[in-house]
Amino acid sequence: DSGVTQTPKHLITATGQRVTLRCSPRSGDLSVYWYQQSLDQGLQFLIQYYNGEERAKGNILERFSAQQFPDLHSELNLSSLELGDSALYFCASSVDAGVTGELFFGEGSRLTVL
Amino acid sequence: QQPVQSPQAVILREGEDAVINCSSSKALYSVHWYRQKHGEAPIFLMILLKGGEQKGHDKISASFNEKKQQSSLYLTASQLSYSGTYFCGTEIYDDMRFGAGTRLTVKP
Repeated sequence: DSGVTQTPKHLITATGQRVTLRCSPRSGDLSVYWYQQSLDQGLQFLIQYYNGEERAKGNILERFSAQQFPDLHSELNLSSLELGDSALYFCASSVDAGVTGELFFGEGSRLTVL
Repeated sequence: QQPVQSPQAVILREGEDAVINCSSSKALYSVHWYRQKHGEAPIFLMILLKGGEQKGHDKISASFNEKKQQSSLYLTASQLSYSGTYFCGTEIYDDMRFGAGTRLTVKP
């Protein structure tokens, strides 16, 4: 158990819909990262937050948005869903802003868009 | 910008050795290595920091050539449990970008 909690574990929805994925980082970790992993593909970096502020942005679509709340949990919002958005979405946390320490990954949220 | 990993896939017999390479076109601050079993979360193996500091796994080793912006992961005397996809992650712009992965299969 990494200490990172993601909900829901599985989600099935239709094209055009909107979903929210939630991540609670390990106790004491200030940074949260979001990654998208399509079937048998690599980990695509979406966005990073540190202590409530957006720190880095990767290949995140305009239909996607995220935020980190004062209690440090984070949410990834996916809207106007398309079939190609079906993927495993991972959240990871680390203690500080720079990546000089281990990233702890949650179990992921598997999104299926029909 | 994502690092480039090679090879894409490796098949080994138990007890054999393997090397997985990771390279970047940008200067690196650190290189991370993770292993992912199918459908599971990636698990941390090793981090190599600029300046030579290395932290990680005592049965798996790695090198980091800062000048060439390359890292290699060495898996010796492989075990069945080593099977999985290995990702290198590189810190360039204060975020972690991962390579496409190397799928390692260890057979009895």
